[in-house]
Amino acid sequence: AQSVTQPDIHITVSEGASLELRCNYSYGATPYLFWYVQSPGQGLQLLLKYFSGDTLVQGIKGFEAEFKRSQSSFNLRKPSVHWSDAAEYFCAVGAPGSARQLTFGSGTQLTVLP
Amino acid sequence: EPEVTQTPSHQVTQMGQEVILRCVPISNHLYFYWYRQILGQKVEFLVSFYNNEISEKSEIFDDQFSVERPDGSNFTLKIRSTKLEDSAMYFCASRPGLAGAYEQYFGPGTRLTVT
Repeated sequence: AQSVTQPDIHITVSEGASLELRCNYSYGATPYLFWYVQSPGQGLQLLLKYFSGDTLVQGIKGFEAEFKRSQSSFNLRKPSVHWSDAAEYFCAVGAPGSARQLTFGSGTQLTVLP
Repeated sequence: EPEVTQTPSHQVTQMGQEVILRCVPISNHLYFYWYRQILGQKVEFLVSFYNNEISEKSEIFDDQFSVERPDGSNFTLKIRSTKLEDSAMYFCASRPGLAGAYEQYFGPGTRLTVT
């Protein structure tokens, strides 16, 4: 069965600093990978996705992620963090089969210091 | 921009009572999902629904749970006899169903509190 590991439970960065959130997955075939963001009291918003092709994908709000098959990783990056980026970030992988239900990581809570 | 909606935003119920959580997926989407997130834990898949039937379900989705698409717009999750451990945020999601369009769009969630 597929699984997702987000090794960092909590990350704190200063506003304007760069950010990298780590995600490792376990999957037998070419994975369908996603990053979602959850602000307090809100639902899950899709940041970006990877299905195939270019391994560097761009998303909304200035985020990007790089798929590295050799490392089974799909790390999320942002060159300059804004205070509004403070939220919880979830990496997810889509299951094989037609339903493609998502398996989520445990999330990384991002705190942004002024 | 179209979005998934869920009602109610917060539901409080007593143990043993039945609850129905409602969702309106994005129009023209074909796959529908329920997930839950117990406070402080990861988001967990419950069930997926396609072509008016369950396509996948997790171990969590036992006989106490059921889903239904009663009309062309609503998608519901019913918990027959709630337990304390059913307290969680329940998210509905939908996706288009086209080949290659696997991203799911989530609603804001219903917080279920079982007392």
